[in-house]
Amino acid sequence: LAKTTQPISMDSYEGQEVNITCSHNNIATNDYITWYQQFPSQGPRFIIQGYKTKVTNEVASLFIPADRKSSTLSLPRVSLSDTAVYYCLRVGGATNKLIFGTGTLLAVQP
Amino acid sequence: KAGVTQTPRYLIKTRGQQVTLSCSPISGHRSVSWYQQTPGQGLQFLFEYFSETQRNKGNFPGRFSGRQFSNSRSEMNVSTLELGDSALYLCASRQGEMNTEAFFGQGTRLTVV
Repeated sequence: LAKTTQPISMDSYEGQEVNITCSHNNIATNDYITWYQQFPSQGPRFIIQGYKTKVTNEVASLFIPADRKSSTLSLPRVSLSDTAVYYCLRVGGATNKLIFGTGTLLAVQP
Repeated sequence: KAGVTQTPRYLIKTRGQQVTLSCSPISGHRSVSWYQQTPGQGLQFLFEYFSETQRNKGNFPGRFSGRQFSNSRSEMNVSTLELGDSALYLCASRQGEMNTEAFFGQGTRLTVV
């Protein structure tokens, strides 16, 4: 399973919308795109998962275009507590293991 | 519903010793996976157990082993500890099949001196 590619870090201010893009050019037919959030010294926490088009929950939205070679996690109106590392993962196929890349460190400033 | 419980939370061991970490998954979850997180290598997959059988294994030496019991609780063991084994060890539980959400525990912080 190849890792996904996402920016190493991003900066934002409170109240802004943040979009983190992830590249997964060779995604397999059975793969889902899943995003996790991790705070220091804690385990990752599931945010959202999708296969195609748009998925929205109470925390975020996930946009996946028709070719599924990329995806965008959208966090509306971020706050200081959203400062964390965000991981984009491909999940599925012949294995159930989660392959984490380096993630994106989102720093939200006041 | 209780979350994933890992014990102990912190551990200090000496090089050459062995260590056993424990993970209790969410009730009803049959899949347990283990991950190692270090500043240099990030989050790396160790292995996954499902219904007491190892289903997947990462690229770690044989010093790292695990098992799962009939109640889905899992243990991982590291023998002949090395300084480089110092890390946060995370356990994740899943209800069952692929593409389901993984719930992580708080982790065990292992320091090898």
